[in-house]
Amino acid sequence: AQSVTQLDSQVPVFEEAPVELRCNYSSSVSVYLFWYVQYPNQGLQLLLKYLSGSTLVKGINGFEAEFNKSQTSFHLRKPSVHISDTAEYFCAVSSNSGYALNFGKGTSLLVTP
Amino acid sequence: NAGVTQTPKFQVLKTGQSMTLQCAQDMNHEYMSWYRQDPGMGLRLIHYSVGAGITDQGEVPNGYNVSRSTTEDFPLRLLSAAPSQTSVYFCASSYSGTHSPLHFGNGTRLTVT
Repeated sequence: AQSVTQLDSQVPVFEEAPVELRCNYSSSVSVYLFWYVQYPNQGLQLLLKYLSGSTLVKGINGFEAEFNKSQTSFHLRKPSVHISDTAEYFCAVSSNSGYALNFGKGTSLLVTP
Repeated sequence: NAGVTQTPKFQVLKTGQSMTLQCAQDMNHEYMSWYRQDPGMGLRLIHYSVGAGITDQGEVPNGYNVSRSTTEDFPLRLLSAAPSQTSVYFCASSYSGTHSPLHFGNGTRLTVT
């Protein structure tokens, strides 16, 4: 079964600094990868997705991620974070059937002044 | 657009009680699903549906029932609540499976005592 591992449970960072949230996946077949964000007391919303094509994927709010097949990674990056980026970030991989999304355990990003 | 609406927002049950968590979407999405979110566990799929009259089990289906009589509604039933079902429950929908962006509700926080 496809799965993802988020390597950091918490990432503290100062405002305007760059950030990388790490995600590795395990799969022996084609993968479809996603990053979702959850702001406090809200549901999740899609940041970006990789289905095929360019390995550099741009999403909302200035985030981007790079699909690296050789390293089985899909790390999320932002060159300069804002206080408002404080949230929980989830990496996810779609099952072969396309009917189940397997989430990582999440990375809590805390941006401080 | 209302998007995905979940009710209630909060619920406290005693062990053995039953209840139904409601989920409705107004986007004419074929795919709907229920996840539970527990600290340090990420989100885990309970049940999903690919259209009216069609449901299937996810990763953690035990103790939960679902039905899909209309495209809009996908209720989740707890027949006999247990403390292990204390969690935050999210309903999500998409146009067609998990390759399409999932739209999440704001969640139902359930406590079973």
